Amino acid sequence: QQQVKQSPQSLIVQKGGISIINCAYENTAFDYFPWYQQFPGKGPALLIAIRPDVSEKKEGRFTISFNKSAKQFSLHIMDSQPGDSATYFCAALHYDKVIFGPGTSLSVIP
Amino acid sequence: ETGVTQSPTHLIKTRGQQVTLRCSSQSGHNTVSWYQQALGQGPQFIFQYYREEENGRGNFPPRFSGLQFPNYSSELNVNALELDDSALYLCASSLDRGGRSEKLFFGSGTQLSVL
Repeated sequence: QQQVKQSPQSLIVQKGGISIINCAYENTAFDYFPWYQQFPGKGPALLIAIRPDVSEKKEGRFTISFNKSAKQFSLHIMDSQPGDSATYFCAALHYDKVIFGPGTSLSVIP
Repeated sequence: ETGVTQSPTHLIKTRGQQVTLRCSSQSGHNTVSWYQQALGQGPQFIFQYYREEENGRGNFPPRFSGLQFPNYSSELNVNALELDDSALYLCASSLDRGGRSEKLFFGSGTQLSVL
């Protein structure tokens, strides 16, 4: 119940395309869902986050879609750029602990 | 505003040894969390410190211990190192508001190799 599942494990997208990463959870006590971006040799950095009372949140080219009844949420990266190539982690907040998914390695090719 | 800094960046130890990793929190933050990130995996929660007291612990054995100091910096200690302890250890600082730390700010980590 503490798990956050994430797919795909890796993703290759053409420049200008849409990158989509999906996550699912079981524990309905989770009440905050952030996405983190990690570049090689760096720690994860907060990208965007959503609360379960909102179905969608958009910040620039990044959009989170949230389906509370299905206990699923996804990250959409519009107009993907080579600079977006990184590992993306979905996560969920349980009390004061952030639980991370296993990550998606995104490669955006020119 | 200074970010989260961790030291050392890389460390090589042998099985059975002890190690101490250090973390300086971002200015204004009162909470520090430690995570272990194995190669190709997501960060796994080790424990969290709030105002010098442990405020939550993940599924890690007691040989993983920590400290938080009055200036909110922190140490992670691992005793009796095992080969499986080889990983990137990440420190994250945050501002705890009413018992919640929603936004974590991570350092670049310490890469620990146990031989």
